[in-house]
Amino acid sequence: EAQVTQNPRYLITVTGKKLTVTCSQNMNHEYMSWYRQDPGLGLRQIYYSMNVEVTDKGDVPEGYKVSRKEKRNFPLILESPSPNQTSLYFCASSFFTYNSPLHFGNGTRLTVT
Amino acid sequence: ELKVEQNPLFLSMQEGKNYTIYCNYSTTSDRLYWYRQDPGKSLESLFVLLSNGAVKQEGRLMASLDTKARLSTLHITAAVHDLSATYFCAVDNTGNQFYFGTGTSLTVIP
Repeated sequence: EAQVTQNPRYLITVTGKKLTVTCSQNMNHEYMSWYRQDPGLGLRQIYYSMNVEVTDKGDVPEGYKVSRKEKRNFPLILESPSPNQTSLYFCASSFFTYNSPLHFGNGTRLTVT
Repeated sequence: ELKVEQNPLFLSMQEGKNYTIYCNYSTTSDRLYWYRQDPGKSLESLFVLLSNGAVKQEGRLMASLDTKARLSTLHITAAVHDLSATYFCAVDNTGNQFYFGTGTSLTVIP
């Protein structure tokens, strides 16, 4: 089944404790990206990647890192999480063509205390 | 920075009625996307609109794009309960960066 898989689905952590949210897709998509969803703000793009070893900042990259060592994986790293990073996070992927919609993972709900 | 505005933010409508959700964006783009999100779920793609005047229909939903007015509409015809969800429009400015509206939470009541 074609899908984008995120792990974990739920994560509670404390301020300053490094964490990684994994994202993997099995559709051979070139493009992958991360979003955070907050009430009243819609989805905001954190980072995106157009292919292996190519990453760039989205709208709200502060406090986050990403890497794209393999085409299928695009982990999101929070080196020192803070409470304002408490949010619902989505990974998405697509072919890099103009008519290709994003395929989203199931989301990771992160709480930083 | 590209801004995307949706209205209304909340919509409660009776079954069988028609209504339109509006999506305005601030800079030139000829690609617009509509997504649906059910409560507690992920987003799924509804429509991809790629040019001025594009119109797409799926069941009771019809989306259109006017790039000159920087406006897209999502029209709901004869609403049914199954359409209750949050609807997002999104615009990309170069094919790389995506900007989402704040979403329209639709509730269809009997």
